[in-house]
Amino acid sequence: DTGVSQNPRHKITKRGQNVTFRCDPISEHNRLYWYRQTLGQGPEFLTYFQNEAQLEKSRLLSDRFSAERPKGSFSTLEIQRTEQGDSAMYLCASSSTWVNEQFFGPGTRLTVL
Amino acid sequence: AQKVTQAQTEISVVEKEDVTLDCVYETRDTTYYLFWYKQPPSGELVFLIRRNSFDEQNEISGRYSWNFQKSTSSFNFTITASQVVDSAVYFCALSGITGGGNKLTFGTGTQLKVEL
Repeated sequence: DTGVSQNPRHKITKRGQNVTFRCDPISEHNRLYWYRQTLGQGPEFLTYFQNEAQLEKSRLLSDRFSAERPKGSFSTLEIQRTEQGDSAMYLCASSSTWVNEQFFGPGTRLTVL
Repeated sequence: AQKVTQAQTEISVVEKEDVTLDCVYETRDTTYYLFWYKQPPSGELVFLIRRNSFDEQNEISGRYSWNFQKSTSSFNFTITASQVVDSAVYFCALSGITGGGNKLTFGTGTQLKVEL
């Protein structure tokens, strides 16, 4: 399968714990995006990378959130001291510089108890 | 700021009916891109179509067609002869080139239910 993959698919955690999600983009794509989707809403942009550089972050990305993309390949999104309001689907997408459509992974559903 | 509005929250049709999903957008960019994505119950967003702001030609692709009208800032999507497998949430999305990166701004989605 050469699509975008995300792990884990589901994560249940207790408030205050740290969680980390991983995204593996389509191999030839140099752009990688993170979005968050809550129930009944469209995805909201969080951050994006071009190769290993994080070029834009949304105001939604509080200082408890950090994302990395070492070596411009996979990316990780870490949430520290989780809150119940962090419960959502976290989506990763990738694209190439030359083609604007973004291809999404299956998402990681986070539940904070 | 960019904004996408999908006024239809939910649409129910009977199989084989045609259905049109509405999308209205706002942007200050002169060059931008419009998309439709499908999110079936499994949850994964599936890319359907893309349109560039400088190309208003409307097209048909299989059972899908779209109507892009810059004058009214609308980008409507039609499914012809709907099928039960078309049941999903459909999102309209917009990306501009300001700041680079082509981040997507999504609407709130339209839930389409196709019944037998």
